[in-house]
Amino acid sequence: AAGVIQSPRHLIKEKRETATLKCYPIPRHDTVYWYQQGPGQDPQFLISFYEKMQSDKGSIPDRFSAQQFSDYHSELNMSSLELGDSALYFCASSLETGARGGNTIYFGEGSWLTVV
Amino acid sequence: AQTVTQSQPEMSVQEAETVTLSCTYDTSESDYYLFWYKQPPSRQMILVIRQEAYKQQNATENRFSVNFQKAAKSFSLKISDSQLGDAAMYFCAYRSMTNFGNEKLTFGTGTRLTIIP
Repeated sequence: AAGVIQSPRHLIKEKRETATLKCYPIPRHDTVYWYQQGPGQDPQFLISFYEKMQSDKGSIPDRFSAQQFSDYHSELNMSSLELGDSALYFCASSLETGARGGNTIYFGEGSWLTVV
Repeated sequence: AQTVTQSQPEMSVQEAETVTLSCTYDTSESDYYLFWYKQPPSRQMILVIRQEAYKQQNATENRFSVNFQKAAKSFSLKISDSQLGDAAMYFCAYRSMTNFGNEKLTFGTGTRLTIIP
């Protein structure tokens, strides 16, 4: 079965540079989520999209932005990178229409960002 | 806002034995979902089991079962016949119930489970 695809899997950037992470949700899933997991920490919710519209926003820095495109893939753009942005970034997707929260959220394998 | 607490940063169990991981949460909502996710060394997040708050029956998935105590806001995970492949970080997570879904997961801080051969 198709899973959530994230690219790149690993990324090394210097401080103040820009990084873009891509996410391809499971086909027919209508909701995408982005999470950030720092070393030894639990995943922190950044932002989500439902049917290509932003549906919720968490602790996402102003330097970060995201969008979901017409083909449902999503991109997380991170600018003016700081050392503290080094983390594992998860994208997840689910089919939510009519589900009332009960459907499974499937996670991708994550994108490792290292800022040096 | 909802909070999820896992008070055991680390646990260990002998292979083939049973272990229980604890989770408590705080919410003012009456309907919601609870989940246990497993994160092995590969760091992938894998769903282990889920529980609907309005169901009194505890969820079970093969060797994994939960003890859901709604009044106490407790949601523990029991792993029976522990196997080496169960070694991972386990996260308890909360999700609100809405008319549309698409609510985010709120995670606890995790419990690292070690299996002793």
